[in-house]
Amino acid sequence: GAVVSQHPSRVICKSGTSVKIECRSLDFQATTMFWYRQFPKQSLMLMATSNEGSKATYEQGVEKDKFLINHASLTLSTLTVTSAHPEDSSFYICSARAGRTSGEETQYFGPGTRLLVL
Amino acid sequence: DAKTTQPTSMDCAEGRAANLPCNHSTISGNEYVYWYRQIHSQGPQYIIHGLKNNETNEMASLIITEDRKSSTLILPHATLRDTAVYYCIVRLRRNFGNEKLTFGTGTRLTIIP
Repeated sequence: GAVVSQHPSRVICKSGTSVKIECRSLDFQATTMFWYRQFPKQSLMLMATSNEGSKATYEQGVEKDKFLINHASLTLSTLTVTSAHPEDSSFYICSARAGRTSGEETQYFGPGTRLLVL
Repeated sequence: DAKTTQPTSMDCAEGRAANLPCNHSTISGNEYVYWYRQIHSQGPQYIIHGLKNNETNEMASLIITEDRKSSTLILPHATLRDTAVYYCIVRLRRNFGNEKLTFGTGTRLTIIP
């Protein structure tokens, strides 16, 4: 399967600072990338969908000014948690969808980034 | 997307076949069944997907009933590394659209030595 990487794998920051998480598709071009958040003992919740070269689409209840998403190239999307607070501490996971044609719709997930805000 | 129902947890002896059921009684004709698994503190791993026919790959087999209202994921020879949460997801097939994956609570599969 296709490989998706995330960086950093874990980050600890002080409250009020901003944190950027990178998601890269290593061996394919990703026209669409997705960002999820997972709290302990809960399932993944989709935060937003980003398409290369256009604005991200956010799920209901997700603040677009707090979670800035940039998808400037076909292999890189970034999620910036601005002015992070302890309640933003979570496991952030990205996924990437390959191709534009049918049959290439499988999403491949990154390993996740664990964010702890003190 | 259609909702799925899975057992909360299951155990399976190492070396035996693990059969994970999933109900998706409201599935529509153009929705696929996808299976992912998530090992603790990692991102989900794609396993397999299908539309109508049974599918097999190097990881698992997917058996979909004729009416498509349920499916079973089969891990033929479970190992300790197969311990994970397994998610069954039904997803609309659309080209160029935003193909969201809606994760339920999944089945926590524990492989017993």
